[in-house]
Amino acid sequence: DAKTTQPPSMDCAEGRAANLPCNHSTISGNEYVYWYRQIHSQGPQYIIHGLKNNETNEMASLIITEDRKSSTLILPHATLRDTAVYYCIVTPPVAAGNKLTFGGGTRVLVKP
Amino acid sequence: DAGVTQSPTHLIKTRGQHVTLRCSPISGHKSVSWYQQVLGQGPQFIFQYYEKEERGRGNFPDRFSARQFPNYSSELNVNALLLGDSALYLCASSATGTSGSYNEQFFGPGTRLTVL
Repeated sequence: DAKTTQPPSMDCAEGRAANLPCNHSTISGNEYVYWYRQIHSQGPQYIIHGLKNNETNEMASLIITEDRKSSTLILPHATLRDTAVYYCIVTPPVAAGNKLTFGGGTRVLVKP
Repeated sequence: DAGVTQSPTHLIKTRGQHVTLRCSPISGHKSVSWYQQVLGQGPQFIFQYYEKEERGRGNFPDRFSARQFPNYSSELNVNALLLGDSALYLCASSATGTSGSYNEQFFGPGTRLTVL
């Protein structure tokens, strides 16, 4: 699985958009970009995933650069409940045993 | 609908002991995966089971074993516990575990194991 690089931490103001970057310069053509988050003392929660095109759901938007070497997760209106560790994961759909390879993630603190 | 459930929520053991952790997947999900999360790090993949067969194994010693039952629930067993086994053990279920597709994994709240 391709390796990802994320900033270790970032702060965000409540009500503002939070833009979380992720570098995955060694991504292969068949690998997807997935985002999960882990709120304190809970299991990780799926947010969104994409291959080439930008994606949006009720939780967030995912912007993938044209060369697919980086992506940005956008939380459009951050709330205090969005405080969590956000993980960017790159993996092919034919991952052995549906394995997710988590890195260190970005610790996001949403401030009032 | 009930999500993924794990038991117990907390557990304290001493070095050398054995532990069994349990997981019940979401109804209808046939795949269960286990992860270990040491404090301050991301979860690390241990095992995946689908239809009672092991489909994937992470880089963990043979002291770690697991199985899946006909009702798709699963157990993770760890023998000869070490201090370094202290961690949050997460179980995740997904609809299928077959190659050629990715299925969203739904995680349980985890079992926090402390080894003294």
